[in-house]
Amino acid sequence: DAMVIQNPRYQVTQFGKPVTLSCSQTLNHNVMYWYQQKSSQAPKLLFHYYDKDFNNEADTPDNFQSRRPNTSFCFLDIRSPGLGDAAMYLCATSTVGQLQPQHFGDGTRLSIL
Amino acid sequence: QKEVEQNSGPLSVPEGAIASLNCTYSDRVSQSFFWYRQYSGKSPELIMSIYSNGDKEDGRFTAQLNKASQYVSLLIRDSQPSDSATYLCAVNPDTDKLIFGTGTRLQVFP
Repeated sequence: DAMVIQNPRYQVTQFGKPVTLSCSQTLNHNVMYWYQQKSSQAPKLLFHYYDKDFNNEADTPDNFQSRRPNTSFCFLDIRSPGLGDAAMYLCATSTVGQLQPQHFGDGTRLSIL
Repeated sequence: QKEVEQNSGPLSVPEGAIASLNCTYSDRVSQSFFWYRQYSGKSPELIMSIYSNGDKEDGRFTAQLNKASQYVSLLIRDSQPSDSATYLCAVNPDTDKLIFGTGTRLQVFP
């Protein structure tokens, strides 16, 4: 089945220690998104790629970076995680167009010690 | 500022009843509307999409859209305990982005 796969499902890191989350997709979608979701809150868009074109949200902290080496893979790098970065990180994909839904992976739950 | 508003709930309904979930949005140019279901600790799962005014039915789910009133709703017929989850309304006012509401938590009790 075509899908969006996030690894790992759970990640524990230390305060200030860089961490990388990964997302892969077999849907061959042009657009890939990274969201941060905290408890009882809406998913918050961090950035998205249209093919290799990177689009950063204005309020995404510089601490968050991303890479998309090819169509299938996308990475979220948190350079110096703080306690406030503990959250669920969601990867989603879609095809181009305003009518297209986004399809989410299972998410990575990040904890900061 | 583009906003999507939902009542956070919880909305409690008995098993077998109709659950009605509502959502309003601020951007009049929005063209597409989605309902996602999110179980606790899990990721959002797309359950309905709607693009035109009126009703769209899929099994026990019916989405309703009224663009003049900037209002979209989701009805769940014959609610089951397994429907207990948070339902996120998402609106696409721009080419490739979604604006999410904070979700309505639904509880279906036996």
